[in-house]
Amino acid sequence: DQQVKQNSPSLSVQEGRISILNCDYTNSMFDYFLWYKKYPAEGPTFLISISSIKDKNEDGRFTVFLNKSAKHLSLHIVPSQPGDSAVYFCAASANFGNEKLTFGTGTRLTIIP
Amino acid sequence: GAVVSQHPSWVICKSGTSVKIECRSLDFQATTMFWYRQFPKQSLMLMATSNEGSKATYEQGVEKDKFLINHASLTLSTLTVTSAHPEDSSFYICSAPLPGGNQPQHFGDGTRLSIL
Repeated sequence: DQQVKQNSPSLSVQEGRISILNCDYTNSMFDYFLWYKKYPAEGPTFLISISSIKDKNEDGRFTVFLNKSAKHLSLHIVPSQPGDSAVYFCAASANFGNEKLTFGTGTRLTIIP
Repeated sequence: GAVVSQHPSWVICKSGTSVKIECRSLDFQATTMFWYRQFPKQSLMLMATSNEGSKATYEQGVEKDKFLINHASLTLSTLTVTSAHPEDSSFYICSAPLPGGNQPQHFGDGTRLSIL
């Protein structure tokens, strides 16, 4: 039972344009959501998070949007840069981050120079 | 800089060997740490939750006698893969949440385990 889903295994975006990565979840107990960036043979690097009491959180080029009624979140990266090329995982947790993380399947983002 | 340190980063050993992986929180105390495993081209799957001062909590399907977890102190958790076999070859990653609520989990750099 995949409780967190990323339906796009890959995405290619032109440098300078906006990258939008999507994530859906099914467990209504999740109240804290995170995005991680990962390179091969390395641990995930935290990018940005959002609590269920908000619908938007912004940090520099990264913005996460949460639609609780649709159980959907998205990560916007603008402008996209070549260094953004990596695999992006969304993750969800209950108890405002104090519980284990459930990860999505990942989306490989490729930024085209 | 890194907030979670994991060691070793890469291990190659013979079948039947036991391997210990360390996970340390740097400059903060972690009463809870998490151990994940990632097979090639798959997502990270939680193996167990490491609790300081008490037994670890294992996810369904993870053998507790094979994957021994010891949370020795508020900054150190260890995962020992006992009598490792080739099917245990994987990428093992630990994480720890920063103190307080609504804090992200930070991950170590992972350990690539290859059993011959």
